[in-house]
Amino acid sequence: GENVEQHPSTLSVQEGDSAVIKCTYSDSASNYFPWYKQELGKRPQLIIDIRSNVGEKKDQRIAVTLNKTAKHFSLHITETQPEDSAVYFCAASSRYKLIFGSGTRLLVRP
Amino acid sequence: EAGVTQSPTHLIKTRGQQATLRCSPISGHTSVYWYQQALGLGLQFLLWYDEGEERNRGNFPPRFSGRQFPNYSSELNVNALELEDSALYLCASSGGTRGNTGELFFGEGSRLTVL
Repeated sequence: GENVEQHPSTLSVQEGDSAVIKCTYSDSASNYFPWYKQELGKRPQLIIDIRSNVGEKKDQRIAVTLNKTAKHFSLHITETQPEDSAVYFCAASSRYKLIFGSGTRLLVRP
Repeated sequence: EAGVTQSPTHLIKTRGQQATLRCSPISGHTSVYWYQQALGLGLQFLLWYDEGEERNRGNFPPRFSGRQFPNYSSELNVNALELEDSALYLCASSGGTRGNTGELFFGEGSRLTVL
């Protein structure tokens, strides 16, 4: 069935360092790959997304890369700040719905 | 512009009872999605409604059901509640078409506790 795997489940970095979260998906027809950030007690919010006709997309300190052949996509956060601490979810479209990964809890140590 | 709104914020039920959760999408959005987020876990897809019809459902038993009204609002019903149904239920709406999945806008969620 449709599946998205996300690693690592937890990630602790020093402020200013980079953080990388990786996901793989199973549905070869997936063509939309968003990343959501969920702060404690709040709703998930989109931070960046990419479509299958693009290999990389950047927005200030965050970037996403997509390898369709390998069915991998990754989130890169540079110059991390304490306010980046949250749970991050990757997702892949599959038959007009989004399948989410299990989430990565990112802790940025001041 | 109002975002996705959900009610109630919190709901406490006992095993065997029924729960009804409600969602109003962003104005102009016709698609409504329901996800279950159990404590410490990810978002599990429950149901997708579009233009008043159920278009897809996740791997949940039939006691999870719902509907979408002509104004595109939606409700999720959970019958014969079990302890493991305790979770945050998130509703999301999308302006994407069926041929072009787009951003999901989430509500704040309804936290269901089953005792």
